[in-house]
Amino acid sequence: QKEVEQNSGPLSVPEGAIASLNCTYSDRVSQSFFWYRQYSGKSPELIMSIYSNGDKEDGRFTAQLNKASQYVSLLIRDSQPSDSATYLCAVNRGGNTDKLIFGTGTRLQVFP
Amino acid sequence: EPEVTQTPSHQVTQMGQEVILRCVPISNHLYFYWYRQILGQKVEFLVSFYNNEISEKSEIFDDQFSVERPDGSNFTLKIRSTKLEDSAMYFCASSTPTDTQYFGPGTRLTVL
Repeated sequence: QKEVEQNSGPLSVPEGAIASLNCTYSDRVSQSFFWYRQYSGKSPELIMSIYSNGDKEDGRFTAQLNKASQYVSLLIRDSQPSDSATYLCAVNRGGNTDKLIFGTGTRLQVFP
Repeated sequence: EPEVTQTPSHQVTQMGQEVILRCVPISNHLYFYWYRQILGQKVEFLVSFYNNEISEKSEIFDDQFSVERPDGSNFTLKIRSTKLEDSAMYFCASSTPTDTQYFGPGTRLTVL
């Protein structure tokens, strides 16, 4: 069983729509959860971190965490073509200083 | 805004040669990491470093790899005898207990 699983996509949404990205993880002791955005050939860029159950909103982005279901999601409202990228889910067992375990990423395409 | 920097951006080497990849972490960060991403694959943890010693290393980080903080600003990854399968993007990251991991732009290593 993969530690962090994501649908590879591509997920195609029209401009202005809501994009919903999902991630499941296998290690129940995972405590910290992150969404990174990666443009082709570039490094991961942190979008959101979430540590407790529920929703966390930051601008057009909302992260949702359900530890009982071992599920993390990222919603992108009012999607823009510039949001087209691969979105990486990452988890770790401890705090910010613990190693990150990444999923393979979901490729998002936002078309005009 | 503080950022992690890495040099060189692209390194081409012959199989069996030694390479040193360099990173300058964010100045107030004390925890340092190396990750790698083989083309088309997920980001994988290699090693974490704190207080001048390795905190954790993955199975990938064998005797051919070493890390060092030679001065107060640089953090290096050395591969002693490169193999074809070492070709990848290598990302340096840094963090603090209160700040999540931020990634540098990466070094693309090509082993011929």
